[in-house]
Amino acid sequence: ETGVTQTPRHLVMGMTNKKSLKCEQHLGHNAMYWYKQSAKKPLELMFVYSLEERVENNSVPSRFSPECPNSSHLFLHLHTLQPEDSALYLCASSHATGGYTFGSGTRLTVV
Amino acid sequence: GIQVEQSPPDLILQEGANSTLRCNFSDSVNNLQWFHQNPWGQLINLFYIPSGTKQNGRLSATTVATERYSLLYISSSQTTDSGVYFCAVVANFNKFYFGSGTKLNVKP
Repeated sequence: ETGVTQTPRHLVMGMTNKKSLKCEQHLGHNAMYWYKQSAKKPLELMFVYSLEERVENNSVPSRFSPECPNSSHLFLHLHTLQPEDSALYLCASSHATGGYTFGSGTRLTVV
Repeated sequence: GIQVEQSPPDLILQEGANSTLRCNFSDSVNNLQWFHQNPWGQLINLFYIPSGTKQNGRLSATTVATERYSLLYISSSQTTDSGVYFCAVVANFNKFYFGSGTKLNVKP
């Protein structure tokens, strides 16, 4: 365990489903992130939350909706996804003065 | 944004061999990290190394910030070293730029 826990580890969902990914950290970090990793592509930054405020949204489609209720938890709400959204979704956290710690990821398949 | 280039893109080693992975970046950075992504997708931080040299067991890393590159050395490679190695740099607060990775396959 790295200190950043993601659930579920695997998720298969239909295009009409609504699901949520969860990320939890107990490292005392004050920033949390969602990354998407598609096959044969570099990691893509999706959202950044710093002190529970969203500070970055990299042109992510509205079918992805993040939520950060407190500094330890981060969610990614999913609805009406497309097959091309199938990917590994990674959560990370960091302190302002330190490096990243990643979770184990959620492998999402949209059918 | 900052461009991060890693080389080689693919590397096949026989168990016990040594290797050097390289990361070049296009601008001054505040932080640089090396990560190992195992075959199950988990990203593990190897080194937080904005400058200088660090060693951890069979792995060591050197960053020469003034020349905008970092090297990751793997000695006496093992099959468990297989996976993708990513270099990531930070220029502005909390925004990481990732390279495309080096895919390492260590054969027994």
